[in-house]
Amino acid sequence: GAGVSQSPSNKVTEKGKDVELRCDPISGHTALYWYRQSLGQGLEFLIYFQGNSAPDKSGLPSDRFSAERTGGSVSTLTIQRTQQEDSAVYLCASSSLIVGGTEAFFGQGTRLTVV
Amino acid sequence: KQEVTQIPAALSVPEGENLVLNCSFTDSAIYNLQWFRQDPGKGLTSLLLIQSSQREQTSGRLNASLDKSSGRSTLYIAASQPGDSATYLCAVPPGGSQGNLIFGKGTKLSVKP
Repeated sequence: GAGVSQSPSNKVTEKGKDVELRCDPISGHTALYWYRQSLGQGLEFLIYFQGNSAPDKSGLPSDRFSAERTGGSVSTLTIQRTQQEDSAVYLCASSSLIVGGTEAFFGQGTRLTVV
Repeated sequence: KQEVTQIPAALSVPEGENLVLNCSFTDSAIYNLQWFRQDPGKGLTSLLLIQSSQREQTSGRLNASLDKSSGRSTLYIAASQPGDSATYLCAVPPGGSQGNLIFGKGTKLSVKP
């Protein structure tokens, strides 16, 4: 597609349930990033994929969070046993890594509400 | 550890004014710096990317400058309009790498008609 696509756009789930958030990056982009943004807060880095390298998972807040990227394209962020503090907007971005870097483009995000 | 600071946190100006938003970063060994805009309830829109070898980039009424040695960037908005009201974020990768982007907390701009 023309831009980064995230689905669903909104997700309401009950506390304790598992959720999966999907990110479809721009075709050909080798780098993919996940961030979350709580209400009124800045962007919190979660995980970063770059080509076939091992992902940088240093931002994942707990072992309930995991992400994978299949075939170097689509990524899924999974949150197990959701808690109310997981409520936030989850943003995905992609970029094409060349020397010096290129622009990162963001999707519209998935708004997760845990009730 | 790379840290990004944006000043001011909020800014309110009358329509037509020129304004400057500031971004500073602690590790100057960056590959590039990117400015974004975020409207309420929306994702981020890329405004400008400045490579480390560049000193400025321009797009329409926006001009971003980069001074790597001092760890600073500015975003200049000329002849501001109410439609410019949004939160403006700058982001850099960690020093010496092309890893994840590290964001400042943003400047919330309000342009009054």
